[in-house]
Amino acid sequence: SQQGEEDPQALSIQEGENATMNCSYKTSINNLQWYRQNSGRGLVHLILIRSNEREKHSGRLRVTLDTSKKSSSLLITASRAADTASYFCATHQGGSEKLVFGKGTKLTVNP
Amino acid sequence: SQTIHQWPATLVQPVGSPLSLECTVEGTSNPNLYWYRQAAGRGLQLLFYSVGIGQISSEVPQNLSASRPQDRQFILSSKKLLLSDSGFYLCAWSRLTYEQYFGPGTRLTVT
Repeated sequence: SQQGEEDPQALSIQEGENATMNCSYKTSINNLQWYRQNSGRGLVHLILIRSNEREKHSGRLRVTLDTSKKSSSLLITASRAADTASYFCATHQGGSEKLVFGKGTKLTVNP
Repeated sequence: SQTIHQWPATLVQPVGSPLSLECTVEGTSNPNLYWYRQAAGRGLQLLFYSVGIGQISSEVPQNLSASRPQDRQFILSSKKLLLSDSGFYLCAWSRLTYEQYFGPGTRLTVT
């Protein structure tokens, strides 16, 4: 079953604006990951945050994790048209080799 | 550096025909390997994963099977395709860090 659920399902913004996507999950996790998928392509790993971390940065990306609320957010600052893609969160549960993906947020950045 | 290959990139097959999709990984040894299916506009559904040669775990009862004849080769097969097998098939690999690295995908259309 899909554990991660992203919100919103679709987001449309102008270049230069910030984009925030949220992810909620149901069970305890070892880590939470965010991936990006351009249309018709494979997924690309963006960032991994461990269950004992609260915030992580990578370039224009900022990820937060609140294990008490079982939620995470991905912030893309100063968005560019090239950021247009679908973004997925995925959770890695303890003792498992599997990642469970959400349904994704489709981000459109208008030039 | 590691690379992952999938072929073919696109495939159109009639109902009832067999299927063989291949995935190979270069530049790493003993990777975990995964097959996912993605329906249009949807998230990823894990089909099979493998932690070693000949070790296959099936996630969803279906018309498909997987095999791992070599350490870095993962094959997805079907004896008789159904219309519902249409979709975007993604292969991925991972190591102990848990990030998954995806191939470019195969677009399968069953007619």
